[in-house]
Amino acid sequence: AQSVAQPEDQVNVAEGNPLTVKCTYSVSGNPYLFWYVQYPNRGLQFLLKYITGDNLVKGSYGFEAEFNKSQTSFHLKKPSALVSDSALYFCAVRDYNDYKLSFGAGTTVTVRA
Amino acid sequence: DSGVTQTPKHLITATGQRVTLRCSPRSGDLSVYWYQQSLDQGLQFLIQYYNGEERAKGNILERFSAQQFPDLHSELNLSSLELGDSALYFCASSAGTSYEQYFGPGTRLTVT
Repeated sequence: AQSVAQPEDQVNVAEGNPLTVKCTYSVSGNPYLFWYVQYPNRGLQFLLKYITGDNLVKGSYGFEAEFNKSQTSFHLKKPSALVSDSALYFCAVRDYNDYKLSFGAGTTVTVRA
Repeated sequence: DSGVTQTPKHLITATGQRVTLRCSPRSGDLSVYWYQQSLDQGLQFLIQYYNGEERAKGNILERFSAQQFPDLHSELNLSSLELGDSALYFCASSAGTSYEQYFGPGTRLTVT
């Protein structure tokens, strides 16, 4: 079975400060990891993915994430947060031989001006 | 805009009724996925179709069924609706060789 944990329901940061959203995962095989963002009354937007290769992956809107196999983590980061980054962020995982995505509960990010 | 379309955007119906949600994947995508998003259950995978055939099944109730048609659009049928079925239903699609899924805007179902 595969699962994702997002330990923080909410993250609050000031604009211009670094933003980190935490994610840990559990899969039986090699993980494929994803971050999605959801704005109010909208669908999920794909931000970035880790499949293989470099542990640091870069995605849309200045976001990046670091894959850490020993800690089974895939934290999302942004060096300088914007007010417009305020949204609900989901981490997701799938096993390499399974197409089903398992999502975390989501983390609400609020960036204050 | 992800390129995935879903209709209708909103649906209000009564308990015991049956509804059909429709999804058109991105051009060229062969895989379609259905998810349910609710406050208490979060985002739950329901079912996946690939080029017309069911490929994976998740937490889908027996009252729910889906299919993918030759033109690759998909429909999710929900029957004998209960209050607890009220949720956002998302469709997503992916290409055969791609790993990420692209989500539609969702259908908000309210059962009264």
